[in-house]
Amino acid sequence: EPEVTQTPSHQVTQMGQEVILRCVPISNHLYFYWYRQILGQKVEFLVSFYNNEISEKSEIFDDQFSVERPDGSNFTLKIRSTKLEDSAMYFCASRAQRTSGANVLTFGAGSRLTVL
Amino acid sequence: GENVEQHPSTLSVQEGDSAVIKCTYSDSASNYFPWYKQELGKRPQLIIDIRSNVGEKKDQRIAVTLNKTAKHFSLHITETQPEDSAVYFCAASRVSTLTFGKGTMLLVSP
Repeated sequence: EPEVTQTPSHQVTQMGQEVILRCVPISNHLYFYWYRQILGQKVEFLVSFYNNEISEKSEIFDDQFSVERPDGSNFTLKIRSTKLEDSAMYFCASRAQRTSGANVLTFGAGSRLTVL
Repeated sequence: GENVEQHPSTLSVQEGDSAVIKCTYSDSASNYFPWYKQELGKRPQLIIDIRSNVGEKKDQRIAVTLNKTAKHFSLHITETQPEDSAVYFCAASRVSTLTFGKGTMLLVSP
């Protein structure tokens, strides 16, 4: 069964450092997402991406965050200057088509970010 | 934007009992309602979903009901087993982005 692959599985960083989380979506999928989950809390939407541009973003996705798909396979989330409150599990997800009702959103295993 | 409320936050049942988790949503235009199961430290996994043109859907021991008028939907698990223990999230979507509820921790005791 095709999977969404995320690296690293766990990253520890110092406050103020830049972090890049990487995702390889399922190969025939066209819509990509980042969600985050602070420990013990709900899954929160960060950003969606299609056709090499952001299609939607939440209030959480401020100027410190950016996404790109540099090589047609990897989909990355960059946090420029990490804060303590950025500590969370970050999930990448992908979907073949845009509308929720048409296709299932498939999540990766997550990247746990710990900011010290 | 969409707001999804989920209750209860924790639910403890005995093995073999039924479990019901309820969610309400705010955006009447939402038309897709998936349920995800998340085991400790793992990714959310879709267990069942329902679209707004359907009132009920069943898959073995799991069923979901949707009341569009009242804007609420529920997950029903019958004959619960210890391996059903996990956090369950409901979600709602109008077009693309899923908005999740806060989750229900289900504990099934043998």
